[in-house]
Amino acid sequence: RKEVEQDPGPFNVPEGATVAFNCTYSNSASQSFFWYRQDCRKEPKLLMSVYSSGNEDGRFTAQLNRASQYISLLIRDSKLSDSATYLCVLTNFGNEKLTFGTGTRLTIIP
Amino acid sequence: EAQVTQNPRYLITVTGKKLTVTCSQNMNHEYMSWYRQDPGLGLRQIYYSMNVEVTDKGDVPEGYKVSRKEKRNFPLILESPSPNQTSLYFCASSGGQVTHLIYNEQFFGPGTRLTVL
Repeated sequence: RKEVEQDPGPFNVPEGATVAFNCTYSNSASQSFFWYRQDCRKEPKLLMSVYSSGNEDGRFTAQLNRASQYISLLIRDSKLSDSATYLCVLTNFGNEKLTFGTGTRLTIIP
Repeated sequence: EAQVTQNPRYLITVTGKKLTVTCSQNMNHEYMSWYRQDPGLGLRQIYYSMNVEVTDKGDVPEGYKVSRKEKRNFPLILESPSPNQTSLYFCASSGGQVTHLIYNEQFFGPGTRLTVL
């Protein structure tokens, strides 16, 4: 089983809709979690960290479910500029390495 | 402007011809790393460095070398490139003490697209 798994998509969503996708992880010792955004042929950029209590940043909400070992990203009122690939990233306790998921591709349709 | 730079951005080479991809950051970050990105496999870590003169293998180090002689630079060396090293390569850096790495944002360079014929 892969350490991090994401549905590759693509998710084609109309502008203004709400979209959510999950990322599952296999190692229960995973410590920290992040969502990165990657535009086509560009470098990844941090979108938000994911805290145990859940966190929100404008239209974006990230949640962590340790019992079921997944994290989620919810995007409300989607914009055309939200079209990108969203990467789930985690690190394990005592490990200086980051593990990336393969990403979920999102396209917002006008 | 705070940034991570990589050179070259695009490179086409032939099997066996040694090459170096440079990476430099101007944020005084301790942690630097190299990743390769391949379709369906995502980003995989090649090597990382927690500070000057300290480097460690990532998940896919075979065929690569790195050095960290200065804090700002972290070159990636392919001594004898092969076609299976054709990929998109990213350098990244992160600040703060190593023990806080897990909370720190990774800043990525713009990427180097390498083709080995």
